[in-house]
Amino acid sequence: DAMVIQNPRYQVTQFGKPVTLSCSQTLNHNVMYWYQQKSSQAPKLLFHYYDKDFNNEADTPDNFQSRRPNTSFCFLDIRSPGLGDAAMYLCATRERQGQETQYFGPGTRLLVL
Amino acid sequence: AQSVTQPDIHITVSEGASLELRCNYSYGATPYLFWYVQSPGQGLQLLLKYFSGDTLVQGIKGFEAEFKRSQSSFNLRKPSVHWSDAAEYFCAVGATGNTPLVFGKGTRLSVIA
Repeated sequence: DAMVIQNPRYQVTQFGKPVTLSCSQTLNHNVMYWYQQKSSQAPKLLFHYYDKDFNNEADTPDNFQSRRPNTSFCFLDIRSPGLGDAAMYLCATRERQGQETQYFGPGTRLLVL
Repeated sequence: AQSVTQPDIHITVSEGASLELRCNYSYGATPYLFWYVQSPGQGLQLLLKYFSGDTLVQGIKGFEAEFKRSQSSFNLRKPSVHWSDAAEYFCAVGATGNTPLVFGKGTRLSVIA
């Protein structure tokens, strides 16, 4: 089945130690998103790729970076995680020209010690 | 700017009872409207969506929602709730092009015996 896959599902890192979260998709969608979701809150958009065009939200900290080497894969890099970065990170995809529906992966739960 | 309001933070219903979750949106044109469900520790699963046409839309798991333009609402309903429906429910509004989804803050549903 076509889907959005996130690895790992759980990630533990140390304060200040760089960490990378990955997302892959078999939907062949052009748009990919990264969201941060803290407990009992709505997902907050960090950035998205429209093909290879990177779009950063204005309030996304510089500590968060992203890479999209090809259509299928997208990475979220946190350069120096702080305790406040502990959250669920959700990847989503959307067709470029479709019905605007976003399809979400299962998420990666990040714990910062 | 688009916005979504989910007035109820937490709702508790008895198994077998009917359910209605409220969602109000603000958007200048005809919006794209979505309901997503999130089980604990999981990603978001699309329940249903409205783009145009029939204002009563059917979704998965027995859910339906009705778009009422005059009330700027898109309420989610289910005639008989099952214990497995306990989860967080998010309403979201989108638009054409590159505009990101805007999520409501979510409604947590608890189901009691």
